[in-house]
Amino acid sequence: AQSVAQPEDQVNVAEGNPLTVKCTYSVSGNPYLFWYVQYPNRGLQFLLKYITGDNLVKGSYGFEAEFNKSQTSFHLKKPSALVSDSALYFCAVRLDTGRRALTFGSGTRLQVQP
Amino acid sequence: GAGVSQSPSNKVTEKGKDVELRCDPISGHTALYWYRQSLGQGLEFLIYFQGNSAPDKSGLPSDRFSAERTGGSVSTLTIQRTQQEDSAVYLCASSEGQLSGNTIYFGEGSWLTVV
Repeated sequence: AQSVAQPEDQVNVAEGNPLTVKCTYSVSGNPYLFWYVQYPNRGLQFLLKYITGDNLVKGSYGFEAEFNKSQTSFHLKKPSALVSDSALYFCAVRLDTGRRALTFGSGTRLQVQP
Repeated sequence: GAGVSQSPSNKVTEKGKDVELRCDPISGHTALYWYRQSLGQGLEFLIYFQGNSAPDKSGLPSDRFSAERTGGSVSTLTIQRTQQEDSAVYLCASSEGQLSGNTIYFGEGSWLTVV
């Protein structure tokens, strides 16, 4: 079985400050990890993914994430938050074998204050 | 179109009625997924299609839910005898193939309200 945990329902950060949205996973096998963002009343937009190789992955809108195998984590980061980054963020995992659908975390609401 | 297209974008239906939700995946994408997002909850996997293979129906919550994919492209999700707990956003997604590293792209969703 595979699962994803996003331990924070909400993260608050001031504009211009660095932000981190946490994600940990549990899988039996090699994980493929994804981050998506959802703006109000919209679908999910792909931000970035880790497949293999460099543990630091860079994605859209200045976001990046670091894969840490020993801590089974894939935290999303951005050096300087913008008010427009305020949205709902989802971490997801898929294995290289077996079920092909993504398993999502419960989501973290990011609120960036001006 | 360039992205995953879903229709209708909004649907209000009476309890007990049947509804059909349509998904048109990105051209050339062989894998198609349906997810459900209920208010205040996360994303729940419903069903997965890959090419001509038998679909993975393991996420369908009851036998009132069914889906088909005709010609390897457009998919329809059908909910029979709708209940109020079926109210949710139904998200369709597609990807180039079944490789685990392939990015899955989502549509804007179909918002279903059962009254």
